[in-house]
Amino acid sequence: GQSLEQPSEVTAVEGAIVQINCTYQTSGFYGLSWYQQHDGGAPTFLSYNALDGLEETGRFSSFLSRSDSYGYLLLQELQMKDSASYFCAVRGTDSSYKLIFGSGTRLLVRP
Amino acid sequence: DSGVTQTPKHLITATGQRVTLRCSPRSGDLSVYWYQQSLDQGLQFLIQYYNGEERAKGNILERFSAQQFPDLHSELNLSSLELGDSALYFCASSVAEGLDYTDTQYFGPGTRLTVL
Repeated sequence: GQSLEQPSEVTAVEGAIVQINCTYQTSGFYGLSWYQQHDGGAPTFLSYNALDGLEETGRFSSFLSRSDSYGYLLLQELQMKDSASYFCAVRGTDSSYKLIFGSGTRLLVRP
Repeated sequence: DSGVTQTPKHLITATGQRVTLRCSPRSGDLSVYWYQQSLDQGLQFLIQYYNGEERAKGNILERFSAQQFPDLHSELNLSSLELGDSALYFCASSVAEGLDYTDTQYFGPGTRLTVL
């Protein structure tokens, strides 16, 4: 089967840097995605890593180590609006393109 | 705005009833996915359709069914509703073909179902 583990909650101060970790177990691997979800809102795509290394998109970066089955999302210059839940996800190992999500990390940004 | 639409936004019904949730994918997307999100829970994959055919099933209850129509919109039917079915139901769409392994999924705003 497939499973992903993330911390349930992270708290950080406005302007700081925070890292949200994700470890996964999957028999086949097609990359690790990250989605953001504000309370009551829809998940929105943030980033995707298929190969080892760091992908940077503005204040957000995502890292992947396939050998360690591990990735993280790095959020810099935190803003209050970054308070949300963050989900890592892997694609299904069949041909379906479905996503298997972690249980999510709730990020609280304090002033 | 993701381009994915879902109706209705809210639905309140009683146990034992049947409801239908509707989803229209982004223009050009052939694949539709349904996810269930219970209170403070993650997103649980229910079912996927690709160009009108069922492509994958998750832990979808037998009381639930779905279909995708020729115009690519999809409906999720929930019957014999129980209190535990109260949740947010999201539809997502993607291209889901070719070598685009990124295959970003675009989520609709969700339907909040409350079973009383």
